Amino acid sequence: AQRVTQPEKLLSVFKGAPVELKCNYSYSGSPELFWYVQYSRQRLQLLLRHISRESIKGFTADLNKGETSFHLKKPFAQEEDSAMYYCALRGGSGNTGKLIFGQGTTLQVKP
Amino acid sequence: DTGVSQDPRHKITKRGQNVTFRCDPISEHNRLYWYRQTLGQGPEFLTYFQNEAQLEKSRLLSDRFSAERPKGSFSTLEIQRTEQGDSAMYLCASSKPGQGQETQYFGPGTRLLVL
Repeated sequence: AQRVTQPEKLLSVFKGAPVELKCNYSYSGSPELFWYVQYSRQRLQLLLRHISRESIKGFTADLNKGETSFHLKKPFAQEEDSAMYYCALRGGSGNTGKLIFGQGTTLQVKP
Repeated sequence: DTGVSQDPRHKITKRGQNVTFRCDPISEHNRLYWYRQTLGQGPEFLTYFQNEAQLEKSRLLSDRFSAERPKGSFSTLEIQRTEQGDSAMYLCASSKPGQGQETQYFGPGTRLLVL
């Protein structure tokens, strides 16, 4: 079964501290993984995808196929990073692009 | 282009009533998705269109739910005989796959409350 697990509902850190939001997945194929973010009163938006191997707003995520993980990391958290973060997997057969989301982790960065 | 839009943003209805939501995707986006999000959960896939063709439906989509995209542009999602369990945020997303990468752009959602 295709599944995305985000074990932490809430992660609270102080400004300047490192951040790691955990994501584990279950998929019997070559997965495409994403991190989406939702800031307060804004719509869900793409933060980054594993294919691009890029850093966005200081965040990076590495796909670890051995551990079936795609953790999101940032070395120094900022208050503006406070938001809801969703890990997502593109699954399905054929050409469907549907996303399978985890439950989400609320990141709270305290001053 | 202001992105994906959804209407209405909020809907309160009584159990047993029918409701219809509309989604306007980004121009030229040929794929359109509907998701449902309940409190404390991530979005769950409901159905997907490529142009006007509905290509996949989730088992979550009971026979009370129907979605259309008649001209391959806007889409509607109708829920008949609403139940309290239908209370959720209904999200629409659109995309235009190309060059091996597809980004889904989400709308603001329609929040449904069934009393």
